[in-house]
Formats: sequence, structure tokens, C-alpha cells
Amino acid sequence: QVQLQQSGPGLVKPSQTLSLTCDISGDSVSSNGAAWNWIRQSPSRGLEWLGRTYYTSKWYNDYAVSMKSRIIINSDTSKNQFSLHLSSVTPEDTAMYYCVRARPACDYWGQGTQVTVSS
Amino acid sequence: DIVMNQSPDSLAVSLGERATINCKSSQSLLYSFNNKNHVAWYQQKPGQPPKLLIYWASTRESGVPDRFSGSGSGTDFTLTISSLQAEDVAVYYCQQYYSTPYTFGQGTKLEIK
Repeated sequence: QVQLQQSGPGLVKPSQTLSLTCDISGDSVSSNGAAWNWIRQSPSRGLEWLGRTYYTSKWYNDYAVSMKSRIIINSDTSKNQFSLHLSSVTPEDTAMYYCVRARPACDYWGQGTQVTVSS
Repeated sequence: DIVMNQSPDSLAVSLGERATINCKSSQSLLYSFNNKNHVAWYQQKPGQPPKLLIYWASTRESGVPDRFSGSGSGTDFTLTISSLQAEDVAVYYCQQYYSTPYTFGQGTKLEIK
């Protein structure tokens, strides 16, 4: 059974970097055929895909164009986890953030982290 | 980006009756390389992440009751609940995974009449 356990702060100050980590059990971050995604949800924007990382002979990343200058998703194979780093946050980045496995539909979701951007 | 448009925004159905939710995409989601529609349906209950119900437009995820079914091809898709149960009250979303950025419909809130 795959489980995704998220960790990271629920409150981030404007202009700072939001960092969240997703620990994977029951699968490998480098497994073929799986992509590891970050998706957020807010009342104003609905469900919004932010980006993904996946391994197929080498590592690939895809990011939403709207996030491209601010987002990094990376993986740590030794810890079997992947992380989201979103820089220069504003109150518009306040949302519930989910880490998600896609194979290719989104079959496993983390529990969610409510992140509020406020001073 | 591919736009996913769901209808209706909300729906009230009597217990035991059929519920139908529609989803229309701004371009075809039928991938010629595998002849599959890259569409999924999710159910979300309050305080929970979305749960995968249907993928490839019509394949039920393991453990999902058979009263849930998906149909459609190209740009028009439907989620049907054949006989509504109380535990089906939730918000339902369609999603395309044909190309990134993956995009979701705005959601359909399903209630009991």
C-alpha cells in the first residue's frame, strides 16, 4: 500500500520560500512509470497542478508555466522523498498543498498541508 | 492549457436515483498512440484529498463500487452514479492527464434531494 506523508510549515511570511516534503512508502521515487506531483487547492483557483518530477533513465521535471520562475521540485532517493520549494510567496499562494503520485492518473494523495502566507 | 468544463456546478438527486455529471474538454483527450482517453474522475469529501474513481475515462479504480461508471471519448465525458447512496455526497472533479499542465474541472457538488 502506497502512503505519502507530507511535512512542512503551515505559515510562511510573504516574500519567503515555501518548502514542503513528501515521504513515500510502498513505492520508490525513482520507479518507472510513476510521476511525483504537487497539486494545490484553494477556493479561488480550485485544483491547480504545480509540477512533477519523474525518473525514466534520467530525472525530468515539468512545471506549470505560471510557477516556472519560482518553483523547484526535487527528489532524494536516499530518503525516498520529494520536495516542493516555492519562492517569493504572496497571499495568493495560500492554499491546501498535496503531494500526489500519478501513474498516470493521480492514484495516491498525501494528507494535505494547509499553507497560509501571512506576516 | 486544456480547459475542463464540468456541468452542472451542483446537483441534487434522490437516494437510489441516477446522478450524471458531464465534463467537456477544450481539445480531444484521445491519445492516438494508445487509443485511450486521458481522463480521470475524482471524489472529494470535506477534509479529505480527492480520491481516484475512474481513469482512462471508463476504468474503475480498484475498490470503487460498481455503481460508479465513466463514459465518453474525445472531448465529452460523463460520470454516472447509477443508484445514489448517502455516502456519495461529495464534490466530483474531472481531470485531463493528456498533457501538462494537468488540469481539473471546477467541480460538481452532489447532494441528496
